[in-house]
Amino acid sequence: ETGVTQTPRHLVMGMTNKKSLKCEQHLGHNAMYWYKQSAKKPLELMFVYNFKEQTENNSVPSRFSPECPNSSHLFLHLHTLQPEDSALYLCASSQLWGQEGEQYFGPGTRLTVT
Amino acid sequence: GENVEQHPSTLSVQEGDSAVIKCTYSDSASNYFPWYKQELGKRPQLIIDIRSNVGEKKDQRIAVTLNKTAKHFSLHITETQPEDSAVYFCAATDSGTYKYIFGTGTRLKVLA
Repeated sequence: ETGVTQTPRHLVMGMTNKKSLKCEQHLGHNAMYWYKQSAKKPLELMFVYNFKEQTENNSVPSRFSPECPNSSHLFLHLHTLQPEDSALYLCASSQLWGQEGEQYFGPGTRLTVT
Repeated sequence: GENVEQHPSTLSVQEGDSAVIKCTYSDSASNYFPWYKQELGKRPQLIIDIRSNVGEKKDQRIAVTLNKTAKHFSLHITETQPEDSAVYFCAATDSGTYKYIFGTGTRLKVLA
């Protein structure tokens, strides 16, 4: 294990549901990220938190709402999603935002919106 | 902002042959270029990276080359093995925002 865990691993939700994705890192990092991975598209950065503060919101629709209560935990709250939001959602962490080096990814949550 | 293009999208090679994946970027101030490998159903993992002050870096069977003038960088895998089969992503940093801008990925199949 790389030290970044995500739950649930799979999620099926209707367009009117509300659900949350959870990410936890055990690496002592200070920056955490949410990425969206869709088929045949590049990894898309959604949000960045550095020392619990949001530093990037990459023009993500408001139906995605992130929360970072501390440097080890990151949530993505979902509501009124669309079918095109179906994708693999990856959480990652790194020592610091804006610093070169590896971003450690979690295993992802495979989301299907029906 | 930075834009990264990656080619080819799929690549099949015979076991033992070499594989080359190429990426181009648009931000001339980009200074960090990581490569990630994602095996089927698994998380992306960093396999090698290069900084803009270096032209080439090698780690066993994997090497990366960088041409700053042409704004392109390449991943070279020699003596390919079946376990090299995966999707490979290149990335470049956006000099204004520090974001990693990823390419669309290359699915490498190593045929036994």
